[in-house]
Amino acid sequence: GAVVSQHPSRVICKSGTSVKIECRSLDFQATTMFWYRQFPKQSLMLMATSNEGSKATYEQGVEKDKFLINHASLTLSTLTVTSAHPEDSSFYICSALEGTLSYEQYFGPGTRLTVT
Amino acid sequence: GENVEQHPSTLSVQEGDSAVIKCTYSDSASNYFPWYKQELGKRPQLIIDIRSNVGEKKDQRIAVTLNKTAKHFSLHITETQPEDSAVYFCAAKYGNEKLTFGTGTRLTIIP
Repeated sequence: GAVVSQHPSRVICKSGTSVKIECRSLDFQATTMFWYRQFPKQSLMLMATSNEGSKATYEQGVEKDKFLINHASLTLSTLTVTSAHPEDSSFYICSALEGTLSYEQYFGPGTRLTVT
Repeated sequence: GENVEQHPSTLSVQEGDSAVIKCTYSDSASNYFPWYKQELGKRPQLIIDIRSNVGEKKDQRIAVTLNKTAKHFSLHITETQPEDSAVYFCAAKYGNEKLTFGTGTRLTIIP
C-alpha cells in the first residue's frame, strides 16, 4: 500500500523557536495533503489542506501565520510551527491523497511536538 | 460543513463478545465512510471503509453498515480479541475532499 513518512517523529523545542515537520509520500504522488493536530484523548482536528503548487486552505481558528504550510512538490509538504509555545505541544499527523479521484487518505506516523 | 457524532465514547466488552460503535453524519452529500483504529502514539490505521452506493461491507470479523436515509453508519466487531483494544474513529467525506472525524471510541476487551 501507499506509504507516507513524517520527520521528525519526536521533537522538543524551546518557547519562541520554530519547528519544521516534513511529510513525504514515498511511492505515490500526492496532489493533496492534509495536516491534523491531535491532543491527548481527543480526535484528529484538521488544521489545513494543501495542494501542490498552491496556497494552503486553513480551517477556521487556525492561524496561517503561525502554522506555515508549504506543498512544494507532489511528494513533500512541510508544516512549520513558528514562535512555538507550550500550548502548541501536540501530536501532528499528515495524510495524503493520491490523485484527484482517490478516496482513501494515507496517514503519516505522526510527530510528537513538545514545547518547553 | 460536515459534522460527525460518534457513540459510545468508551466501550468495554468481554473477550469473544461483539462490539458495536455508531456514528451519524450531517451532510447528505458525503459518500465515503472509513473507520480507523488508533493505538497510543501511532497513526490512524484504516480497518474498513464503505461508499454510499453500498449498504454493508464485511471483512472477516469486521463489518460496517450504512443507512443513507438516516445518515448513520456502524462498525461491528465480532469475536473480539484483546488486540482489538484501541481507540476507533469513524469519519465521513465527499469524494476527495477533507475527512471529518468522529470523537472516537475507546474500546477495551476484557480477557
